Order: sequence, then C-alpha cells, then structure tokens
Amino acid sequence: GDQVKQSPSALSLQEGTNSALRCNFSIATTTVQWFLQNPRGSLMNLFYLVPGTKENGRLKSTFNSKESYSTLHIRDAQLEDSGTYFCAAEDTGGADRLTFGKGTQLIIQP
Amino acid sequence: EAGVTQSPRYAVLQEGQAVSFWCDPISGHDTLYWYQQPRDQGPQLLVYFRDEAVIDNSQLPSDRFSAVRPKGTNSTLKIQSAKQGDTATYLCASSPRTGGSQNTLYFGAGTRLSVL
Repeated sequence: GDQVKQSPSALSLQEGTNSALRCNFSIATTTVQWFLQNPRGSLMNLFYLVPGTKENGRLKSTFNSKESYSTLHIRDAQLEDSGTYFCAAEDTGGADRLTFGKGTQLIIQP
Repeated sequence: EAGVTQSPRYAVLQEGQAVSFWCDPISGHDTLYWYQQPRDQGPQLLVYFRDEAVIDNSQLPSDRFSAVRPKGTNSTLKIQSAKQGDTATYLCASSPRTGGSQNTLYFGAGTRLSVL
C-alpha cells in the first residue's frame, strides 16, 4: 500500500475560505516536506518540518511523529494557491531520501 | 542565487530512441536527485548523488537508464532505449545538507518526456 497517503485527492474552494490537507504515513518518518506544484509543473518547497508546527503567512503546517501524520492549513485562500500540493516523508532508514504522496489537487474559484 | 536548471524542457521520442537530460544544481549543493513523475502521480526517486558518488540507484532501471555526476556539480540522466512507459516528467533537485533545514529540496522545472 501507499507509504505516504494524502487526502483529499482533489479539492475546490472559494476564494477567501480555509482548508486543511492531510498526510498519513505508514513508514517511520523523521522529517516532512510540503511542496506546491504550479500548473506549469514547477515544484516549490513550502515547509521543512521536524515534529512540531511552522507558520508562514497564510500557511501553517504540523508534523505529529507519534501519530504519523502531517497537516497543511491554508487560510484565506487566494487564486494563486491553486495547484497540486505534495507531502514527502524522510524515513528513518533512508537518509536523505524522500517518499512522496500522490498529491492533493487544489482549485481556488473566484 | 540561480535555481536548479534543467534542459531540455520538452522531448518527444519514438520507442527505441535515446535521450539525455541535463541538470545544473544550485551552486554549493552537494546532494543531487533525479525523480520521475508520471502524469497525476507524485515524484518517485530514481537516483541520488552526494558530490560525485552515487548514494542510491536502487530504483533506476539499470538496463536502460544511467546517471552520472562526474565533477560533483552538473549531472546527466540518460535513457538508452526509450519505452512508452517512460513517458513522464523528469525532475532534478538539489539540497545543501547544511543548517537547520538540512535536507530541503529545491527542484528544477523538469523535462517533460513523451515516448510515442
């Protein structure tokens, strides 16, 4: 089965609303990274997380290693937030190697 | 600071043809990764290097794929005899392995390969 499971697979939101994306891990995970892939295909790093929470503008992300999940919260969604969000886990046995989920496709409607 | 640079941006091949992808990582980043991203999937690691050494190529189809990073800077990924199943975007990423966010990955724009 999937070692990194993302939910939902797709989501459509109105501009100005809030959302939460989730990753569940079935591998022992030391760190988590979140990326946004824009419609042209470029992947941009949003967060690098050890267990705990980070915030950057309208984005906030939490990594709970004991319960093997991570969340990404988007507040006051804007049109430029549209794209596919990926989480990636660095497992304890694979130093420097990330395993990606299948992504959440997010569409922000005006 | 320049980002990760990849070329070409697109490639279209017939089955059986060869193709090479080139990557220039961010200056000073000692770790370089090649990922394959099929349509509507997440990136999947093919191979990664630390400096010029291959650290993990266990997911690289060794009969047709090869990757080198001879001077520990630029890297080339080559497909010897392409198959339709190789159709995907090939992404290069680098990381600095220094500081608090040691393994943050920075991706290039990718090469979109179509094998007909």
